Amino acid sequence: NAGVMQNPRHLVRRRGQEARLRCSPVKGHSHVYWYRQLPEEGLKFMVYLQKENIIDESGMPKERFSAEFPKEGPSILRIQQVVRGDSAAYFCASSPPLGPNEQFFGPGTRLTVL
Amino acid sequence: KQEVTQIPAALSVPEGENLVLNCSFTDSAIYNLQWFRQDPGKGLTSLLLIQSSQREQTSGRLNASLDKSSGRSTLYIAASQPGDSATYLCAVCGGANNLFFGTGTRLTVIP
Repeated sequence: NAGVMQNPRHLVRRRGQEARLRCSPVKGHSHVYWYRQLPEEGLKFMVYLQKENIIDESGMPKERFSAEFPKEGPSILRIQQVVRGDSAAYFCASSPPLGPNEQFFGPGTRLTVL
Repeated sequence: KQEVTQIPAALSVPEGENLVLNCSFTDSAIYNLQWFRQDPGKGLTSLLLIQSSQREQTSGRLNASLDKSSGRSTLYIAASQPGDSATYLCAVCGGANNLFFGTGTRLTVIP
């Protein structure tokens, strides 16, 4: 019974490149959340998705960031034209339907922008 | 906007001691509260979930309490062990399903 899986675990990008972060939720979970942890800061909510729907993106920067959770396949967090300030750990969590429920977190993707 | 505060920011105790970590939140309209553990460079491990209607939850040496009206939760760790050394995070779930996190308490248990 696999938990939340994220890949890659570490990602290095140069300024201006694109970063794609993937998240596979716990089997049977239909809710996915993305959080960002900046160095020496707490985790901050970015976006909440259900299959094919963005429910709440109030924590997501308005430009360069997008997220999707397609009917098939993992959830993707996409960051275009990365800047040094995007360097952070990005965590995905999932929960079963009929929330709010306990959220289970993946190991995170550590993005470094050179 | 919900704000979550954890005190102390860091704590160092000798092995075997009982300890209490504190969490406070500003908006008492929550659905649940979760305590997590985060090891350096790792993800989050869920320790305990307390629903808003509950007062406490226990798992092994851990006990978490919730006083929604006063906006407080405590995590009690009994008979601490070096393996308990980690950062402990408190997170509250509001109506939008997302979690608001505190900045954590970094615990060091000295053998």
